[in-house]
Amino acid sequence: EAQVTQNPRYLITVTGKKLTVTCSQNMNHEYMSWYRQDPGLGLRQIYYSMNVEVTDKGDVPEGYKVSRKEKRNFPLILESPSPNQTSLYFCASSSNSGQGLEQYFGPGTRLTVT
Amino acid sequence: AQSVTQLGSHVSVSEGALVLLRCNYSSSVPPYLFWYVQYPNQGLQLLLKYTTGATLVKGINGFEAEFKKSETSFHLTKPSAHMSDAAEYFCAVRNSGGYQKVTFGIGTKLQVIP
Repeated sequence: EAQVTQNPRYLITVTGKKLTVTCSQNMNHEYMSWYRQDPGLGLRQIYYSMNVEVTDKGDVPEGYKVSRKEKRNFPLILESPSPNQTSLYFCASSSNSGQGLEQYFGPGTRLTVT
Repeated sequence: AQSVTQLGSHVSVSEGALVLLRCNYSSSVPPYLFWYVQYPNQGLQLLLKYTTGATLVKGINGFEAEFKKSETSFHLTKPSAHMSDAAEYFCAVRNSGGYQKVTFGIGTKLQVIP
């Protein structure tokens, strides 16, 4: 089954404690992206990756890091989380070519930073 | 820079009434346009998309949207609302050129009243 998986689904942590949210897709997609969803603000792109070892900032990259060492994985790293990073996070992937340009989303990770 | 405007963060319709969710975009190159739906506690899933060709596109669950270049609009419609349509709907634009940034609107929550 084609899917995007994220782990963990729920996470409560404290300010300053480094964490990683994993994202994996099994569709051989080149493009992967991270979003955060906040009430009244919709989805805002944090980082995206066009392919292995190619990443770029989205609209709200401050406080986040990403890496793309393998095509299927695109982890999101919060080196020193702060309460304003409490949010619902989504990973997504898509092809870069043809008509298959829509994104496939993971189920989301709800992060609370206290 | 590209942007998306969704008019009306909350829309209420009666069951059986027309659903109209508005989306206007700005893009410096021909856009790819998408509508996604998010049911409570779930990730986003594609409703429909416009890439090239026919400007009236049909999606799942009886929804359709029309790309109007002159009005820079991509409004989502459904002739008759069902209770199961209650969800949040997001319009998104993606650059058709080499730059693959995706921009989402803030979303419209659709309430269906029995």
